[in-house]
Amino acid sequence: DQQVKQNSPSLSVQEGRISILNCDYTNSMFDYFLWYKKYPAEGPTFLISISSIKDKNEDGRFTVFLNKSAKHLSLHIVPSQPGDSAVYFCAALSGTYKYIFGTGTRLKVLA
Amino acid sequence: DAEITQSPRHKITETGRQVTLACHQTWNHNNMFWYRQDLGHGLRLIHYSYGVQDTNKGEVSDGYSVSRSNTEDLPLTLESAASSQTSVYFCASSDPGQGPGLKQFFGPGTRLTVL
Repeated sequence: DQQVKQNSPSLSVQEGRISILNCDYTNSMFDYFLWYKKYPAEGPTFLISISSIKDKNEDGRFTVFLNKSAKHLSLHIVPSQPGDSAVYFCAALSGTYKYIFGTGTRLKVLA
Repeated sequence: DAEITQSPRHKITETGRQVTLACHQTWNHNNMFWYRQDLGHGLRLIHYSYGVQDTNKGEVSDGYSVSRSNTEDLPLTLESAASSQTSVYFCASSDPGQGPGLKQFFGPGTRLTVL
């Protein structure tokens, strides 16, 4: 049973436009949500997080939105740059320090 | 600079052999994790540890074991490698002192092929 789902395996966006990556979850008890970026042949790196008591968190070009009633979060990248091309994973904190990851979305930013 | 390293980066082994993947972090983090990444599954938790002598099973722990004898290292052992364990393995660490929702730091990964 996939508790954290990223239903879009891939996404292509023009440079300068907005990229929106989506993530759905099933467990209303998740406390925190995080987004990680992963380049080929490298480990994932932390991008941005949000607490379940908030509905928005912003860091530069990256904004994460949380809709608890819909059990949905999204990552907005504005403006998108070619260097943003990577696989993006959302993750949810379950209980103590364990994270449940989604399957990832491959973003391609076209120059 | 503090870091987390994994070795080897690539490994080819045969079915039935025992394999150990190393993970070493210099962050002095208490929490350490092992994940495997497979197409269509994302990152799945194999084992994790909250400190020395503490180990716990994750969602895909069958066929794997870990031991934690010091803060810096969490080696992952495949007792008898199977083709289904061909995957990319990532080690991660985090600092519980930073509070809830804290981020994990990942190693560069080990690509394991079991023939």
